[in-house]
Amino acid sequence: NAGVTQTPKFQVLKTGQSMTLQCAQDMNHEYMSWYRQDPGMGLRLIHYSVGAGITDQGEVPNGYNVSRSTTEDFPLRLLSAAPSQTSVYFCASSSPGTGLTFFGPGTRLTVL
Amino acid sequence: GENVEQHPSTLSVQEGDSAVIKCTYSDSASNYFPWYKQELGKGPQLIIDIRSNVGEKKDQRIAVTLNKTAKHFSLHITETQPEDSAVYFCAASPSGASGGSYIPTFGRGTSLIVHP
Repeated sequence: NAGVTQTPKFQVLKTGQSMTLQCAQDMNHEYMSWYRQDPGMGLRLIHYSVGAGITDQGEVPNGYNVSRSTTEDFPLRLLSAAPSQTSVYFCASSSPGTGLTFFGPGTRLTVL
Repeated sequence: GENVEQHPSTLSVQEGDSAVIKCTYSDSASNYFPWYKQELGKGPQLIIDIRSNVGEKKDQRIAVTLNKTAKHFSLHITETQPEDSAVYFCAASPSGASGGSYIPTFGRGTSLIVHP
């Protein structure tokens, strides 16, 4: 099992550009989520999904879009990148029955 | 929603000393409390967890305690080693049949520094 995979590992964007952060899991988990990590702020929830076709907003959803067409994939889209979106992004998948949550290795995004 | 407070934000200890990190939670529906270790440049990794039907759990040098009445739980690391240096996160979530979104809420993290 690969667990949770994320691509790319690093990305530099210019203000106003758009991009998609990819996330995939092979554990057949119903729940998937996106977090951003900033110094001193811990892990803040951006969006989450409780199953294919179902998504909801987390604590900091503005400027991000998600969709969940399959159980395995949960991409995060930045519609028009801003310097405030410079951060490290983590995707996670969770088993609702046990609560176990596994994280991907992260994507470090810099917006100039 | 759930709110998780974690203290301290930074903890510096000498090798061989014990380290304790404390968290409180607000939602009585939470019944699953994992702890994660994040090494530099990596994603958080689950190191130990505890469920609400248990008061304490140990795994070698690490242990977690849970006080449901007071809504707080703690991570204890004994005989600390330099490789224990990392950021540690606590989290709380409902799971199973307890209801809720099952998405964990995280504390802000504790940077543990173990000096050789």
